[in-house]
Amino acid sequence: ETGVTQSPTHLIKTRGQQVTLRCSSQSGHNTVSWYQQALGQGPQFIFQYYREEENGRGNFPPRFSGLQFPNYSSELNVNALELDDSALYLCASSTRTSGGTDTQYFGPGTRLTVL
Amino acid sequence: TQLLEQSPQFLSIQEGENLTVYCNSSSVFSSLQWYRQEPGEGPVLLVTVVTGGEVKKLKRLTFQFGDARKDSSLHITAAQPGDTGLYLCAGEEGTYKYIFGTGTRLKVLA
Repeated sequence: ETGVTQSPTHLIKTRGQQVTLRCSSQSGHNTVSWYQQALGQGPQFIFQYYREEENGRGNFPPRFSGLQFPNYSSELNVNALELDDSALYLCASSTRTSGGTDTQYFGPGTRLTVL
Repeated sequence: TQLLEQSPQFLSIQEGENLTVYCNSSSVFSSLQWYRQEPGEGPVLLVTVVTGGEVKKLKRLTFQFGDARKDSSLHITAAQPGDTGLYLCAGEEGTYKYIFGTGTRLKVLA
C-alpha cells in the first residue's frame, strides 16, 4: 500500500456534466501527477502540480484543470464531460528535489463512467 | 511527444515458462521505468534504469536498457501465476513527465 488515496472510487456522470476527483498524496511528497488510463491502454499524462502550480501538461484540452493545496493534496476537474472521458484516473505523488524526482507512488484510481 | 510501443500486447503462458516483453521508441529517454499493475490498483514501480546497457535483476525478473537508451526489455524466468498482471514501461520525457507504453497483459496459467 502506497499511502496515496483517491476519492471517489467509482463515479457515473452524464455527458456535459462536470466532475471533481480528489487525491491525497503520500506524507512528505510535494508533487502530484494526474494520468488518464483508458481501458486496455497505458496511462496518459494529464498534468503535474508542484508547490501548488501546474508544472507540465500533456495533450489534454483546457476543460481538464487542477489544483494543488498547501498540504499537497490535489483535485482534478473535468468540465463538459464527453463519452471518451470514461477512464480510470490515476494520481501519483512524488518528491521533487534539486537532484530530480523521486519514485512516483500511484493511488488506486477513480473509475469514471460517462453516459 | 515521444511514443513507447510494447510487444507483445497479450501473453498467456504456462507456469514455469520464460518470457520477454519489449519496450521500443524512436526517441531517447533519460531514464526508463517498469511497472506492474493489477486490476483495481495503480501501477507499482518495479525498477528504474538510467544508463545505456544497464541490466538490473529483481529475483526472477531481468531488466535491460538499450545501449542507445531508446528501448528496454523485461525477461521473466520460470513464470508463476503471481506474475500475472499488466506490465508497463514508462520513459522520462524532459521535466519530470513520464510517457507510458501501451502495456503488455500477462497471464500465467497454473
